[in-house]
Amino acid sequence: GAVVSQHPSWVICKSGTSVKIECRSLDFQATTMFWYRQFPKQSLMLMATSNEGSKATYEQGVEKDKFLINHASLTLSTLTVTSAHPEDSSFYICSASPGSANYGYTFGSGTRLTVV
Amino acid sequence: RKEVEQDPGPFNVPEGATVAFNCTYSNSASQSFFWYRQDCRKEPKLLMSVYSSGNEDGRFTAQLNRASQYISLLIRDSKLSDSATYLCVVNIGGYSTLTFGKGTMLLVSP
Repeated sequence: GAVVSQHPSWVICKSGTSVKIECRSLDFQATTMFWYRQFPKQSLMLMATSNEGSKATYEQGVEKDKFLINHASLTLSTLTVTSAHPEDSSFYICSASPGSANYGYTFGSGTRLTVV
Repeated sequence: RKEVEQDPGPFNVPEGATVAFNCTYSNSASQSFFWYRQDCRKEPKLLMSVYSSGNEDGRFTAQLNRASQYISLLIRDSKLSDSATYLCVVNIGGYSTLTFGKGTMLLVSP
């Protein structure tokens, strides 16, 4: 149980274009999902908390107008990287939990974004 | 002080060795503790939760010392397949977010 599906697994896009990443909870409902970013040899850094039916909460330093988050249903959250630049190239991972965080979170398989 | 600090790596050990990872956390209000494993270019996967009484899962043993705000992971009889980065993860409870350490890389060689 507690499967989180993330799509696409990898994407290459040109500078200035937008990329949408989907995160789905397959066998549970998730009112809250989390989006992380991981640069090479770095730890996972939380970007934002996605809340179903309301605005996302962004971490300090993360531009909300650049990283658009939509959590329209209890099983789907999307992250759109707008006007992508090469420095946005990274590994983006979403996570969710079927219950309290005390039980840990399940991660999607991640999306490797390369902006050229 | 960083919220979650781990031993610097990489740890290079031969097969069959016992290896221990340490982790300290700064928020005394932390309630939940986990070890995650992350393979290269993959997502983290939960290895085990860490309980106050200590817990064991096969070759893996996790310990928690709340007074010292210290967590450990012991791997016995290392296998080649144990090679990965091990992430110490802390949560302050409820539906709050997880805080990750930078991870410690383990390389098990034949």
